[in-house]
Amino acid sequence: KQEVTQIPAALSVPEGENLVLNCSFTDSAIYNLQWFRQDPGKGLTSLLLIQSSQREQTSGRLNASLDKSSGRSTLYIAASQPGDSATYLCAVPSSGGSYIPTFGRGTSLIVHP
Amino acid sequence: DTAVSQTPKYLVTQMGNDKSIKCEQNLGHDTMYWYKQDSKKFLKIMFSYNNKELIINETVPNRFSPKSPDKAHLNLHINSLELGDSAVYFCASSQDLQNQPQHFGDGTRLSIL
Repeated sequence: KQEVTQIPAALSVPEGENLVLNCSFTDSAIYNLQWFRQDPGKGLTSLLLIQSSQREQTSGRLNASLDKSSGRSTLYIAASQPGDSATYLCAVPSSGGSYIPTFGRGTSLIVHP
Repeated sequence: DTAVSQTPKYLVTQMGNDKSIKCEQNLGHDTMYWYKQDSKKFLKIMFSYNNKELIINETVPNRFSPKSPDKAHLNLHINSLELGDSAVYFCASSQDLQNQPQHFGDGTRLSIL
């Protein structure tokens, strides 16, 4: 059974810092990994999707990497801003070949001015 | 235009009642999902439909019955509501089962009195 762990659970930083959020998973037979952000009272917004054949994806100040063999992904946020404050979740298929996504419990990020 | 819309946004009702949550997506996606997010913010998939057919049915009590009248709609009916059903329910859609990313609605906050 796939287990997804996100570290740290919470993070509070001053504006401008570069951040690294971590996601680890137990079953490396995945076909993709997805990072989301969730704002309070809202649904999830997809940030980046990395296919199993890829090592990283970039979108603006966000960069996500994937190391399948070690069961890890990192989300790098450059030059953080208060608007980045949200909960960040990663999701992977629950097991090899499965379509059932398993989510981590998220990293709650606060960026203060 | 809202891509994935759910109604109602809030639902407060008493134990034992039957209620429905509606979901519609205007993205032309083939796959739709229902998720439950508990009080600890843990997100877990409940159901997935692909082209109106049930694909994923996780260990959900049979009091929960999804219905997909067409590809753009996936409704969730809940019978005999229990206190433990209190949560936020999210609808989501994706192009297909493999080709994520998923697009989420803003959620329906269900409170059982």
